[in-house]
Amino acid sequence: SQQGEEDPQALSIQEGENATMNCSYKTSINNLQWYRQNSGRGLVHLILIRSNEREKHSGRLRVTLDTSKKSSSLLITASRAADTASYFCATDEEGSQGNLIFGKGTKLSVKP
Amino acid sequence: DVKVTQSSRYLVKRTGEKVFLECVQDMDHENMFWYRQDPGLGLRLIYFSYDVKMKEKGDIPEGYSVSREKKERFSLILESASTNQTSMYLCASSSPPGDNQPQHFGDGTRLSIL
Repeated sequence: SQQGEEDPQALSIQEGENATMNCSYKTSINNLQWYRQNSGRGLVHLILIRSNEREKHSGRLRVTLDTSKKSSSLLITASRAADTASYFCATDEEGSQGNLIFGKGTKLSVKP
Repeated sequence: DVKVTQSSRYLVKRTGEKVFLECVQDMDHENMFWYRQDPGLGLRLIYFSYDVKMKEKGDIPEGYSVSREKKERFSLILESASTNQTSMYLCASSSPPGDNQPQHFGDGTRLSIL
């Protein structure tokens, strides 16, 4: 069952601009995670934010979590052509056995 | 670093064949997962395992089975391959729930059933 829904489905920006992707979900969660996938490859974990956290940073990445609205956002600042990839949010639901629920992803294209 | 290794990057098989996809992780993780990924459908969970010899059905288990005889290895089996099982298959592993740790993915196997 799909829980996380990313928005937008596709995003095209110029190098140096910021990219913002949003994720909405439906149930109570332990944490929310963001992953990146280059074309034809596996997913790479970017950042995990726990349900009691509101914001987290890692390098050029900033993630926010609003549990009252059941939503999260991923901001990539000063984007580079190498950031071109698909980005997925995934939720770890309360009471789960560790399986994540993934959204369908945002396809980001950064033009040089 | 955690390493999750899938046995093949690309695989071509024929309809009706029994197909084995292998996945090995080197971090002593309890949990292992098999997903398939199709355009427009995102990642869908096929099966997962939270211990040796234990397995749980995911969202789309039909036509698949799994085997976990050793902690580090999780195999996905297509009992009788069909063309609608042509897809990208991704394996992942993680520590137990409650640890707030991410899943670690292999590079995927792109499987074509002719």
